[in-house]
Amino acid sequence: NAGVMQNPRHLVRRRGQEARLRCSPMKGHSHVYWYRQLPEEGLKFMVYLQKENIIDESGMPKERFSAEFPKEGPSILRIQQVVRGDSAAYFCASSSQGEGEAFFGQGTRLTVV
Amino acid sequence: AQSVAQPEDQVNVAEGNPLTVKCTYSVSGNPYLFWYVQYPNRGLQFLLKYITGDNLVKGSYGFEAEFNKSQTSFHLKKPSALVSDSALYFCAVRDPGGSQGNLIFGKGTKLSVKP
Repeated sequence: NAGVMQNPRHLVRRRGQEARLRCSPMKGHSHVYWYRQLPEEGLKFMVYLQKENIIDESGMPKERFSAEFPKEGPSILRIQQVVRGDSAAYFCASSSQGEGEAFFGQGTRLTVV
Repeated sequence: AQSVAQPEDQVNVAEGNPLTVKCTYSVSGNPYLFWYVQYPNRGLQFLLKYITGDNLVKGSYGFEAEFNKSQTSFHLKKPSALVSDSALYFCAVRDPGGSQGNLIFGKGTKLSVKP
C-alpha cells in the first residue's frame, strides 16, 4: 500500500506563473488535507477536502489559491500568479473516515524566483 | 484562539539518556493532541495521539506522551534515546469543535542525540 504521493517534489516558478501541486492519497482514504510550511515555522492548515467537496478552507488565502479533489484523480492545489512569499513546502495528508491519524506525503517544495 | 507552544527550539541528549520534548497547548474544551516526527526531506510521520482515556499514551518507536490537563501540557518522552531519533518533532492540537484535519502545529523542536 503506497503512502501519500505528492508530485512534483520540487517546483520552480517565476513570479506571475501558475503552480499546480498534486496529491494522491493513500488507497482507501477519502479525506485530504493541505498544509503549508514556511521556513523556520510549523505547518499551517490550509484546506480539508473530501471527494468533490471542500469541507474546510479556513486556512486558504482568499485570493490566488484554490484546491480540488475530483471524483477521479489526485487532489490539486493551485496557486495562480505566484509571488515570492508563496515559496514554501506544501504538504498533503490523507486519512480514512473517523478519527484515524493523518498520513503525510513528502511534500512539494515550491520556489518562486 | 487555539494554539500550541513548543518552548524549546532544540533539545540535545546523549544516546541512552532519557529525553523529553515539551509541548503546551491552549484550546477551548477537551483537546485532541498529536505528536509527529519529520526526518530531513521527508513528510511528517505520526507518532501518537491523545483523544480520551489514559493520560499516558504509548506510540511508535518507543515514544510516549503524558497528557496533563491541569498544566495543559503533552510532553513527549522516551526512556532511552537513540542517535536515529534525531529529527524535528512537532506537537499538534485539534479543537474537537473544528473540522477533522484542521490541526494546529507548534513550530517544532529539533532533537539531536549524540553518540
